[in-house]
Amino acid sequence: DTGVSQNPRHKITKRGQNVTFRCDPISEHNRLYWYRQTLGQGPEFLTYFQNEAQLEKSRLLSDRFSAERPKGSFSTLEIQRTEQGDSAMYLCASSYGQGTPLHFGNGTRLTVT
Amino acid sequence: DAKTTQPNSMESNEEEPVHLPCNHSTISGTDYIHWYRQLPSQGPEYVIHGLTSNVNNRMASLAIAEDRKSSTLILHRATLRDAAVYYCILRDPDNFGNEKLTFGTGTRLTIIP
Repeated sequence: DTGVSQNPRHKITKRGQNVTFRCDPISEHNRLYWYRQTLGQGPEFLTYFQNEAQLEKSRLLSDRFSAERPKGSFSTLEIQRTEQGDSAMYLCASSYGQGTPLHFGNGTRLTVT
Repeated sequence: DAKTTQPNSMESNEEEPVHLPCNHSTISGTDYIHWYRQLPSQGPEYVIHGLTSNVNNRMASLAIAEDRKSSTLILHRATLRDAAVYYCILRDPDNFGNEKLTFGTGTRLTIIP
């Protein structure tokens, strides 16, 4: 399967801990996106990379959140000092070029206790 | 961002056609109409997109009104595997700042066996 891969699929953490998620996009896709989805809502945009450059960040991305995409390949999303409100599904997507369809992974479900 | 309006939910019988409506009265001339769907426990999946003319692919058909203020996603013969949340999204491929997809709450489609 050469789709978008996200790890881990599930993460349970205690409030105040740091967590890191990984996304491996489809190879040769230069655009990578992170979204967050809570129950009953559509995905909300968090941030977007073109190659290794982070080009846009949502206001939802507080200073506790940081995303990187070293060498323009895989990406990581780190949440520091997690809060219960961070509990959500974190989705990663990639696309080949401007205006092309996004391909989503199946997400990492974060539960903060 | 131009907004879309969709019914919260719809039901359809298995093996019958399904017509999912979307209103986008503030659509601009360069906005494409995109449809994605999200099956349970999965990330969103691209379905189809179009600008002015009706479009067909192996998954669905997209019928676009002449004034482009509304569109309809057509599943020709619904199966149980088509049960999902369907999102109608406007996207301008030439607008750098609109690379991200902005999801609404979509239409939850239930297929009745």
